[in-house]
Amino acid sequence: QSALTQPASVSGSPGQSITISCTGTDSDVGGYNYVSWFQQHPGKAPKLMIYDVSNRPSGVSHRFSGSKSGNTASLTISGLQAEDEAHYYCNSFTATSTLVVFGGGTKLTVL
Amino acid sequence: EVQLVESGGILVQPGGSLRLSCAASGFTFSSYGMNWVRQAPGKGLEWVSYISSTGSTIFYADSVRGRFTISRDNAKNSLYLQMNSLSAEETAVYYCARTLTTVTTLDYWGQGSLVTVSS
Repeated sequence: QSALTQPASVSGSPGQSITISCTGTDSDVGGYNYVSWFQQHPGKAPKLMIYDVSNRPSGVSHRFSGSKSGNTASLTISGLQAEDEAHYYCNSFTATSTLVVFGGGTKLTVL
Repeated sequence: EVQLVESGGILVQPGGSLRLSCAASGFTFSSYGMNWVRQAPGKGLEWVSYISSTGSTIFYADSVRGRFTISRDNAKNSLYLQMNSLSAEETAVYYCARTLTTVTTLDYWGQGSLVTVSS
């Protein structure tokens, strides 16, 4: 069981917007602005998409955005494209003996 | 171009030991903290360990503390993970990843090295 809770799957049609949630506790997501999101295509290494809740690394499309409310962080992808189909993982700093926790991952299907 | 290349993944028996390496290039290795993250087949990501740029600060996940040792050689631009007392549940692809700012910000990842623990 992962420390952070993500929906197992989400789907959307090309051009639509989707949001993936990442729910934790006051000891991780809710307590710190240190949440990142990663995209992983099959057989590939993860790619950083969002860091520190809402910052985009250089080269990442503006269609990807992040936010946080309370103990839940969210990744929103607007203008869905076929290439966005992948697994998405969130992580967070945690005030426990394990420094970093990941969510279980969400499979995004572009219909 | 930033490159991270893991090596050392093999088939090892339960209870056995293994050392993974990660060769870094394309950036000033000694200026960045580094991590190991693993992914069991068909499963999600699990953070394993972090080491600061100088090696003076080290953290481990609860699941590996006391059995795994992270280290680095800045002169060789290399990161290592010594793994002891391995169990079948630790069969996974092991990735090395660079820390951009905080320990959660893993901005570059290697292609991974598969460790299989089986008799």
